[in-house]
Amino acid sequence: GAVVSQHPSRVICKSGTSVKIECRSLDFQATTMFWYRQFPKQSLMLMATSNEGSKATYEQGVEKDKFLINHASLTLSTLTVTSAHPEDSSFYICSARVAGTGNTGELFFGEGSRLTVL
Amino acid sequence: DAKTTQPNSMESNEEEPVHLPCNHSTISGTDYIHWYRQLPSQGPEYVIHGLTSNVNNRMASLAIAEDRKSSTLILHRATLRDAAVYYCILVSYGGSQGNLIFGKGTKLSVKP
Repeated sequence: GAVVSQHPSRVICKSGTSVKIECRSLDFQATTMFWYRQFPKQSLMLMATSNEGSKATYEQGVEKDKFLINHASLTLSTLTVTSAHPEDSSFYICSARVAGTGNTGELFFGEGSRLTVL
Repeated sequence: DAKTTQPNSMESNEEEPVHLPCNHSTISGTDYIHWYRQLPSQGPEYVIHGLTSNVNNRMASLAIAEDRKSSTLILHRATLRDAAVYYCILVSYGGSQGNLIFGKGTKLSVKP
């Protein structure tokens, strides 16, 4: 099946610094990618929808200036957590659907990136 | 997207079948029923999806009630590697870009 890869898988940073997480579709093109956040023992929460070549759509309550999303190509979306604070520590997961499969087909998820802010 | 209801947890013995229920009484005619699972510290993994008819694949079977208000994910022979949180999610055809809204899911434990 299609593969979505995230990098880095784990990152530890100091409070106030920015961290970039990459999400790549390795063997398919994705016009749309989704970014989720998951706190311990909780379910995934959709943060934003990333569209290739246009601005991301953020869910209510998600600060777009803090979580910068760039989807510059059909195989790469990045999430930058700016001025990270300990409360931003979480498991960030991206997902993508093969372009042209409609909006009800299978979603492929990355392995997740665990961010720890000290 | 319409809401689903799943038990918080279930237990199974290894090598035995597992039936994971999901209620979706407010499902609409254009909603697809998707199942994903998430192993610890990993991203979710697609399991199966269907619209009206029962579906089978190498991982599982999906049994959909005739009125579509409920469905059951069937793992035919549970293994220790099937221990995960299983999410039943409705995805609307024509909905906003087809993102998945995750509920709490069912945590499946498999005993050796």
